[in-house]
Amino acid sequence: GESVGLHLPTLSVQEGDNSIINCAYSNSASDYFIWYKQESGKGPQFIIDIRSNMDKRQGQRVTVLLNKTVKHLSLQIAATQPGDSAVYFCAENIWSSGNTPLVFGKGTRLSVIA
Amino acid sequence: GAVVSQHPSRVICKSGTSVKIECRSLDFQATTMFWYRQFPKKSLMLMATSNEGSKATYEQGVEKDKFLINHASLTLSTLTVTSAHPEDSSFYICSAQGPVTYNEQFFGPGTRLTVL
Repeated sequence: GESVGLHLPTLSVQEGDNSIINCAYSNSASDYFIWYKQESGKGPQFIIDIRSNMDKRQGQRVTVLLNKTVKHLSLQIAATQPGDSAVYFCAENIWSSGNTPLVFGKGTRLSVIA
Repeated sequence: GAVVSQHPSRVICKSGTSVKIECRSLDFQATTMFWYRQFPKKSLMLMATSNEGSKATYEQGVEKDKFLINHASLTLSTLTVTSAHPEDSSFYICSAQGPVTYNEQFFGPGTRLTVL
C-alpha cells in the first residue's frame, strides 16, 4: 500500500551480519513484487523481483521471500556492507495487467554500522 | 539495463513561476512513463501515468492543470509544474516502461525542485 504520514522505520545492522527487511502488501490480486534500493538524492534502483508462482528467489547476496497467505514479502541481505546503507522499498503490481503503475510500500532505512 | 535520464537534476525557482522537468528513455522506446513525487523520508507517490500519444491519467488529488504532462514521443515525457508554490517543493521521479522491458519499470535519477 502507499505510505502515509509516518517516518521511515530504521533497521541498524552490524557490518557483516545478515539483514532482513519486511514488507506487507495490500492487494491480494498483486502477483509481481519488486525490491528497490534508494540512496539519498537518487532514484530507486532495482534489486530483485519475484512472481507469485514462486516463494523464494535468490540473487547475488540477496534473497526475496514471498508469503502470499499473509501478504508478506521480505528481503534478506547477506553479509551486509556499508554500501548497503539506503532506503529499501517493496513495490507490488499485477503482471497480467500490462502497463500499470507500481504501488510502493512505506520503505525501511537500513543503516550499516561499521 | 535500460537507462532513464531526467533533466534538470536540481532546480530552484521563485514562487509563481513554471518549471519543466524532462524524462528520457535513452536506449529503449517507452510506451508508458510514470511520474512520482517523494517528500523527505516518505515513499514514492504516483502522480500520473502517461502513455505515448495519449492524455495522461492523473491520480486522485493531483491537479492536472497544475502538473502538465506531455508524452509526445517514445523517448520523452515532460512534467511542467505551473505557478509553482513552496508546497510543490519535492523530489520528482519518473519511470519508463516499454515493449522490450516487459513489466519492469526503469527509474530516472530524480529532480529536486525547490520553490522559494
